[in-house]
Amino acid sequence: NAGVTQTPKFRVLKTGQSMTLLCAQDMNHEYMYWYRQDPGMGLRLIHYSVGEGTTAKGEVPDGYNVSRLKKQNFLLGLESAAPSQTSVYFCASSPVGFNEQFFGPGTRLTVL
Amino acid sequence: SQKIEQNSEALNIQEGKTATLTCNYTNYSPAYLQWYRQDPGRGPVFLLLIRENEKEKRKERLKVTFDTTLKQSLFHITASQPADSATYLCALRDSSYKLIFGSGTRLLVRP
Repeated sequence: NAGVTQTPKFRVLKTGQSMTLLCAQDMNHEYMYWYRQDPGMGLRLIHYSVGEGTTAKGEVPDGYNVSRLKKQNFLLGLESAAPSQTSVYFCASSPVGFNEQFFGPGTRLTVL
Repeated sequence: SQKIEQNSEALNIQEGKTATLTCNYTNYSPAYLQWYRQDPGRGPVFLLLIRENEKEKRKERLKVTFDTTLKQSLFHITASQPADSATYLCALRDSSYKLIFGSGTRLLVRP
């Protein structure tokens, strides 16, 4: 099992550009999450999904959109990137019940 | 406001000693609390979960305590090794059942 994978690993964007981060899990987990991690801030939840076709806002959703068209995939989109979105993005998944979360390796995004 | 606090200063200890990390929270009544380990450039890895009705949980050299009166969890690593050097995150489930993470404490174990 690959667990949770994220694509790409690194990306540099210019202000105003758009991009999509892809998260895939092969553990048949119902729940998936997108976090961002900034120095001294810890992990902050952007959006999450409790099942295929459903999404919900987390703590810092502004400037991001998500989609969960397939159970194993969770996409995070930035429509118009801003320097404040420079961060490391982590995807995670968990079985039903919001218990132990399994994290991907992260995507380091820089917005110039 | 709701807060989770972990010591932002790194903990530097000698190999073989016990490392104790602290997680304090305010304005939460979590059903459970989790601890994760994060190595540089990697995602967090789950270590232990302790429920509100459990005082203590152990796994190999790891021990977690949970005091809901003090609103505090302590994370202990006994007989610490240089390989234990990492950042340790605590996380608790809030009333809307999402996980809220602390900012982590970096542990450095000197050989």
